[in-house]
Amino acid sequence: ELKVEQNPLFLSMQEGKNYTIYCNYSTTSDRLYWYRQDPGKSLESLFVLLSNGAVKQEGRLMASLDTKARLSTLHITAAVHDLSATYFCAVGNFGNEKLTFGTGTRLTIIP
Amino acid sequence: DTAVSQTPKYLVTQMGNDKSIKCEQNLGHDTMYWYKQDSKKFLKIMFSYNNKELIINETVPNRFSPKSPDKAHLNLHINSLELGDSAVYFCASSQGSPWASYEQYFGPGTRLTVT
Repeated sequence: ELKVEQNPLFLSMQEGKNYTIYCNYSTTSDRLYWYRQDPGKSLESLFVLLSNGAVKQEGRLMASLDTKARLSTLHITAAVHDLSATYFCAVGNFGNEKLTFGTGTRLTIIP
Repeated sequence: DTAVSQTPKYLVTQMGNDKSIKCEQNLGHDTMYWYKQDSKKFLKIMFSYNNKELIINETVPNRFSPKSPDKAHLNLHINSLELGDSAVYFCASSQGSPWASYEQYFGPGTRLTVT
């Protein structure tokens, strides 16, 4: 059974700092996703990573995928308050459309 | 244009009642999903339909019954509601094919509170 772990679960950081959220998964997968969820809101798709070594960037966020290590990272550069949210990684189960979500990382950016 | 919509947004009901949540997507996707997000924000898939056919059926009590009248709609009916059913239920959709990313688009969620 595919298991997905994120760390840290909670992250409080100052504006302007850099940090990385980690997503580890237990079995082979061919795709990984990052989502953002604001309090009381739905999930917004941030990145879709489909191959080993894939790197995608949008603004202050950059996501990468290492399928051999079964690891994805979400890097935050020079954090701003607007990035405060819960971030989820989700891993695709090989051969079907099912996603297994990580536990989420609640990110709080302090001015 | 709302891509994935759900009704109602909030649902407060008593234990033992039966309720339904409706979902519609206008993205032309052929796969739809129901997820449950508990109070700790943990998100778990419940069901998935592809072109009206059930393809994912996780370990969910029989009191939960999904129905897909067509590929743009997926409803969730819950019988004999229990306190533990209180959660936010999300509908999602994706386009499935061998070369698609299977990226899932989520609805706004239905917050169910059972008293």
